[in-house]
Amino acid sequence: QQQVKQSPQSLIVQKGGISIINCAYENTAFDYFPWYQQFPGKGPALLIAIRPDVSEKKEGRFTISFNKSAKQFSLHIMDSQPGDSATYFCAAIKNQGGKLIFGQGTELSVKP
Amino acid sequence: GAVVSQHPSWVICKSGTSVKIECRSLDFQATTMFWYRQFPKQSLMLMATSNEGSKATYEQGVEKDKFLINHASLTLSTLTVTSAHPEDSSFYICSASKVDGSSYEQYFGPGTRLTVT
Repeated sequence: QQQVKQSPQSLIVQKGGISIINCAYENTAFDYFPWYQQFPGKGPALLIAIRPDVSEKKEGRFTISFNKSAKQFSLHIMDSQPGDSATYFCAAIKNQGGKLIFGQGTELSVKP
Repeated sequence: GAVVSQHPSWVICKSGTSVKIECRSLDFQATTMFWYRQFPKQSLMLMATSNEGSKATYEQGVEKDKFLINHASLTLSTLTVTSAHPEDSSFYICSASKVDGSSYEQYFGPGTRLTVT
């Protein structure tokens, strides 16, 4: 019940296309859902996050869609660029200062 | 703001020796710091949670006597890998959450690459 399942494991998108990564969770006590971007050899960096009382959040080219009833959320990267090539992790957390539960990660490659 | 540093960024040590990794919150005070390890092409695995001034809480399967964690101040936590073996080679990452508890956000360090020969 603590798991967050992420798909796909890898994704190849053409430059200018839309990248979509999906996550699903079981524990309804999760209260915060961040997405992290990680480049090789670097620590993860927060990209965008959402609370369950909101169905969508957009920041620049990045959008989170959240479906509370289905217990699913997704990251959409519009106008994908080669610089977006990285590994993306979804995560969930129950309370402030609590443990992050990470998805398995998606390796995104954006082809020029 | 909210910068977390780690030192060293990479380290090579011989089997049987110990190595210490530092995690510092540079511009904020951290109530809680977390230590993760990450193998190539895998997700982050939480090793332990440390709160300033108290003993760390280790995740199931993580040897507390092998991975010593000290959180001596609100800006510094250390992870010591004792009697390191080649299987301890990994990417170790820390994160920190702010002391005011106003945010869910965790701020991650850049990671430390440990290679045990």
